[in-house]
Amino acid sequence: GENVEQHPSTLSVQEGDSAVIKCTYSDSASNYFPWYKQELGKGPQLIIDIRSNVGEKKDQRIAVTLNKTAKHFSLHITETQPEDSAVYFCAAPGDDYKLSFGAGTTVTVRA
Amino acid sequence: DAGVTQSPTHLIKTRGQQVTLRCSPKSGHDTVSWYQQALGQGPQFIFQYYEEEERQRGNFPDRFSGHQFPNYSSELNVNALLLGDSALYLCASSLASTNTEAFFGQGTRLTVV
Repeated sequence: GENVEQHPSTLSVQEGDSAVIKCTYSDSASNYFPWYKQELGKGPQLIIDIRSNVGEKKDQRIAVTLNKTAKHFSLHITETQPEDSAVYFCAAPGDDYKLSFGAGTTVTVRA
Repeated sequence: DAGVTQSPTHLIKTRGQQVTLRCSPKSGHDTVSWYQQALGQGPQFIFQYYEEEERQRGNFPDRFSGHQFPNYSSELNVNALLLGDSALYLCASSLASTNTEAFFGQGTRLTVV
């Protein structure tokens, strides 16, 4: 099955700075890579995803990059704001139906 | 457009008891997956239901079972509860034709005492 590793586990950034979270995956059959944001007491919210036929995707202040050769993908948040503080999870499906998640990154944006 | 809804939001049970959690998928979705999220960890896949059948199962004991109804809603049942079953249980819905874009509900926080 798919194994997803996520780094760093915690990330503290000054408001306005950028944040980058990196994930690696093991199963070359994975072709879809979502990112979720989870706030305290809530379920994970899909914030952006990328498919294997593109290398980068942007949506306002967030972007995701994918390197299929190296089997890693990254989340980039620019101009961070206090409301970006949350736990972020990457995931990959492997060759089956389930999503395998990384262990999560706790992002804290300092005002 | 209602998203994924789960009930109840919180639940306290005693060891050895049984529990049933419920999920209504996002409108237009036909597939429901259940995940267990322990504190400080990522969600772990329990199983997925499609066309009222279990399509795939994760590494969870038979005490965990489920059901999907004709209207695509789903239930998760856990028998003989253990203290270690305390967790946030998440339901995710998706469309089988794409097998992507899973949307999660707010979860059910289960505490076993």
